[in-house]
Amino acid sequence: DTGVSQDPRHKITKRGQNVTFRCDPISEHNRLYWYRQTLGQGPEFLTYFQNEAQLEKSRLLSDRFSAERPKGSFSTLEIQRTEQGDSAMYLCASSPTSSGNTIYFGEGSWLTVV
Amino acid sequence: SQKIEQNSEALNIQEGKTATLTCNYTNYSPAYLQWYRQDPGRGPVFLLLIRENEKEKRKERLKVTFDTTLKQSLFHITASQPADSATYLCALGEDGGATNKLIFGTGTLLAVQP
Repeated sequence: DTGVSQDPRHKITKRGQNVTFRCDPISEHNRLYWYRQTLGQGPEFLTYFQNEAQLEKSRLLSDRFSAERPKGSFSTLEIQRTEQGDSAMYLCASSPTSSGNTIYFGEGSWLTVV
Repeated sequence: SQKIEQNSEALNIQEGKTATLTCNYTNYSPAYLQWYRQDPGRGPVFLLLIRENEKEKRKERLKVTFDTTLKQSLFHITASQPADSATYLCALGEDGGATNKLIFGTGTLLAVQP
């Protein structure tokens, strides 16, 4: 089974450092999403790609955050100059265009900023 | 303001009983609503989707209802088992599938006691 794969699963970084997360969606899924989830909350939408085009970005995605999907396959989410408030689980999800609205999540990448 | 509210307290039930979880929303017009299961430290797993023109959906021991007049969805697990213990998230989709972007509630923690 080739579900949505995220790497790394856990990252501890010092405040001010840059971090990058990678997401490999289910193959042939042309839609890819990034969400953020903090303890006790539901996932919050960050951004969405259709193939390589980033079509929507949330206001939550500050200038320190950048996401790419250069060839329409895997995606990266980079956080520059991390802050303690960035500590969260970063979830990637994917779906085919004709999924009937279902999206499939990866296991998430936990970020702890110390 | 826009809100999605789920049972604020954890739900504790006895094995074999039916668990009923609620999802109420304010100032949204969802085209569909989904329920996900999330285990600690894991990504959400899709369970059921119900569209605005559907009243009820079933899948094995799961049942979802959707009342757009009351702005409420109910999620039932019949013959509950300790293995059903998890956090259950409801999520709204407003755009009818153009992006499949979801807006999540905060989740309800279900604990099924043996």
